[in-house]
Amino acid sequence: RKEVEQDPGPFNVPEGATVAFNCTYSNSASQSFFWYRQDCRKEPKLLMSVYSSGNEDGRFTAQLNRASQYISLLIRDSKLSDSATYLCAFKRVSNFGNEKLTFGTGTRLTIIP
Amino acid sequence: DTGVSQDPRHKITKRGQNVTFRCDPISEHNRLYWYRQTLGQGPEFLTYFQNEAQLEKSRLLSDRFSAERPKGSFSTLEIQRTEQGDSAMYLCASSFSGGELFFGEGSRLTVL
Repeated sequence: RKEVEQDPGPFNVPEGATVAFNCTYSNSASQSFFWYRQDCRKEPKLLMSVYSSGNEDGRFTAQLNRASQYISLLIRDSKLSDSATYLCAFKRVSNFGNEKLTFGTGTRLTIIP
Repeated sequence: DTGVSQDPRHKITKRGQNVTFRCDPISEHNRLYWYRQTLGQGPEFLTYFQNEAQLEKSRLLSDRFSAERPKGSFSTLEIQRTEQGDSAMYLCASSFSGGELFFGEGSRLTVL
């Protein structure tokens, strides 16, 4: 089983709609969880961390389900500028005792006018 | 600009040649990471430094790859005898003691 599994999409969603992505992880030792945004031919940038109790940042809501080992990202009232690839990432302590961030393959989102 | 900078941004080389990429992290950041990203994939971890010590290398990093961070500031990633399969975006990232990771814009390698 892959360490991280993420639906690559593409998700083509009309402007104003709500869209949600999930990302599953196989290593229960994963300690911290994140969503990154990556625009075409650009570097990934942190969108938001994901906390156990769930957290919200404007139109974006992130949830963590440790029992089922997945995180989710919900985008409400989607804007054209939300078109990007969304990468989930997990931080855990590696076998060498070092923190390591592991990324999913990314979900490509296109908002349609 | 005080972000992570990488050089060169683009490199086209012939198979068998050596290439070197440089990364200048954010100045106060003690941790530096190299990732590789191919089309349609997420970034894959290659190696990690804390100050000048290289603490972990991925199995993805064959003997043809070597990375250094001699003074705990900038880092170089060298690929010897490049192969077409090395074509990818090489991303550098830095953080302060496990905090938020900041990525550079990447160095895109094309091996002909």
